[in-house]
Amino acid sequence: AQSVSQHNHHVILSEAASLELGCNYSYGGTVNLFWYVQYPGQHLQLLLKYFSGDPLVKGIKGFEAEFIKSKFSFNLRKPSVQWSDTAEYFCAARLPSGGYQKVTFGTGTKLQVIP
Amino acid sequence: NAGVTQTPKFRVLKTGQSMTLLCAQDMNHEYMYWYRQDPGMGLRLIHYSVGEGTTAKGEVPDGYNVSRLKKQNFLLGLESAAPSQTSVYFCASSNNPGRRPWGANVLTFGAGSRLTVL
Repeated sequence: AQSVSQHNHHVILSEAASLELGCNYSYGGTVNLFWYVQYPGQHLQLLLKYFSGDPLVKGIKGFEAEFIKSKFSFNLRKPSVQWSDTAEYFCAARLPSGGYQKVTFGTGTKLQVIP
Repeated sequence: NAGVTQTPKFRVLKTGQSMTLLCAQDMNHEYMYWYRQDPGMGLRLIHYSVGEGTTAKGEVPDGYNVSRLKKQNFLLGLESAAPSQTSVYFCASSNNPGRRPWGANVLTFGAGSRLTVL
């Protein structure tokens, strides 16, 4: 089955450290990719998205992600994290299964930033 | 502009009871989704709808039913609640992914409904 996987379940960083969260998907054709963030007690919000074009996409709050088709990856990065980045991060994709109607999510990565 | 509104926000049920979660969106979105969020399992799709009067099963549909009688509303029903259905339920909506602009394909989420089944 087509799927989305996130390998880091829990990441702890100090403020100012660099962040990279991994995301892989299992389909080699056209995909639409997303990163969502869920701050404590809040609902999911979009961080960034990739549909086509430049594989390096920039989102809100200094986040960026790079689409590498050959590696089936869409890793999220931030050069310097802040305490306010503490949240759970979800990678998601619209995959061809079902005509791109469904959005499939990874299991999420909890990021804890220590002041 | 309220976006996606879910009611109720919290509910406690006893095993075997029934209930309905209501999702309403005011963005004229065609697609609507119900997900459940469980620790370590991310968001799993229960059911979804690509338009008024249509519904389809997601990854974990068993024990749930849905209806989309009006474009703006998507109801999730539990006919006979079980402890395994204790979860946080999120509704989301989006425009048709086949339509431009592509940015309109993004999911907009509600605030969630926390359900506990005893």
